[in-house]
This record gives sequence, structure tokens and C-alpha cells, in this order.
Amino acid sequence: AQSVSQHNHHVILSEAASLELGCNYSYGGTVNLFWYVQYPGQHLQLLLKYFSGDPLVKGIKGFEAEFIKSKFSFNLRKPSVQWSDTAEYFCAVSPTGGGNKLTFGTGTQLKVEL
Amino acid sequence: GAVVSQHPSRVICKSGTSVKIECRSLDFQATTMFWYRQFPKQSLMLMATSNEGSKATYEQGVEKDKFLINHASLTLSTLTVTSAHPEDSSFYICSAPSNRDYYEQYFGPGTRLTVT
Repeated sequence: AQSVSQHNHHVILSEAASLELGCNYSYGGTVNLFWYVQYPGQHLQLLLKYFSGDPLVKGIKGFEAEFIKSKFSFNLRKPSVQWSDTAEYFCAVSPTGGGNKLTFGTGTQLKVEL
Repeated sequence: GAVVSQHPSRVICKSGTSVKIECRSLDFQATTMFWYRQFPKQSLMLMATSNEGSKATYEQGVEKDKFLINHASLTLSTLTVTSAHPEDSSFYICSAPSNRDYYEQYFGPGTRLTVT
């Protein structure tokens, strides 16, 4: 079975600061990797995903993530955060060919201060 | 964009009763839907995969007789928590894959169940 760990549970940043949220997974085979975001009072929505190819993927709202296979990591980054990025961020994986079953990390609550 | 709704958004029930939660895809059809459970300050945990016209597939450790899933149409899946107990109190979330991209899932807003 796969597992996902997110190292930072709570992150507080000032506007314009750079962001990096860690995500590591454990699984014996190939995986698809996702970052989801949940803004206050809203549904979970997809930020970006990685299946194969270029390990640096770009998502919506200026977010990007890099897959480092040797480290089993898929860290989320944004060069300059905005107050509107305040949300909870979830890393998730699904086994390739595994029918889209997602295993989520515990989430990171990001607060961006003005 | 595609929308998934859940009803009710919150429900309180007495121990021993059953509660039904609905998940609807509002502007697209979904032959598959997923049910998750989220405990406070914890991750979403996949409970089961709901399949239109056939039996649901449950994850290991999830009691299928306690969490009954019915996917009666291409836009509706229901989760019934039978003989609810306080330990069933949780946040239940459903999702459905996009028709455009199967690996992009649309999530419902969740249902807060409290069993007293």
C-alpha cells in the first residue's frame, strides 16, 4: 500500500515570500502524483498533476512541482505567494493503472499574511 | 466547471439510526464516484469506489455492511451509514472523475455527520 507524508502541517508566510511544501511518498511501483488545494469554505480542487515526462510540472495560479524519483518526492513551489493563496494543500498519489484511487497526505495549512 | 454536490451538508443523528448521504454530479455523468472520510486534522481516507450499475468496491478495513453504497444512476451515488455510532462521526466527501480527464477528480463540499 502507498503512503504520503507532508512534513509541514502549518506554514505562515508574508506576501511575496517564496513557498515550498514538502511531499514524500512510499510505494513500490510507479505512481501518478497530484497536488490539491482547498480554499476556505470551498471544495478540494486540482492544482497540478504529474504522470510522466518532464519532472517539473506547472499548474494553475503560478504553482509548480518537481518530481524527484530518487527521493520519492513531489514538492510544491511558488516563487511569490499572495494573500489569496491562503488555503490547505494536499499531496496525493495513485498507483499507475490503479483506477484513480487517491492516497492523500495529511495536508499543509498555509496562511499568507499581508 | 464541473460541479459535484452533496446533501445534506451536515446531519446529526442518534446512535443506532441510519443516515443517507447523496453525491450528485450536476453537469456531467459519472460512472465512477469515490467516497472518502476525513477525521479532524487528518487526511482524507478512501473508503470505497462506487460503480454505476454494479457493486461498490470497498477498501480494506471498511465494513461494507455498515457503509452501504448505491450508484443508481449516472449522476447519483448514495452512502448510507447504517446503525450509526458516535465513532462514525466524521466528514464524508465524495468525488467524481472528469469526463475530459479521468485523472482530474471533482470533489463535493463534504457532509459533516455527528452521531449522538
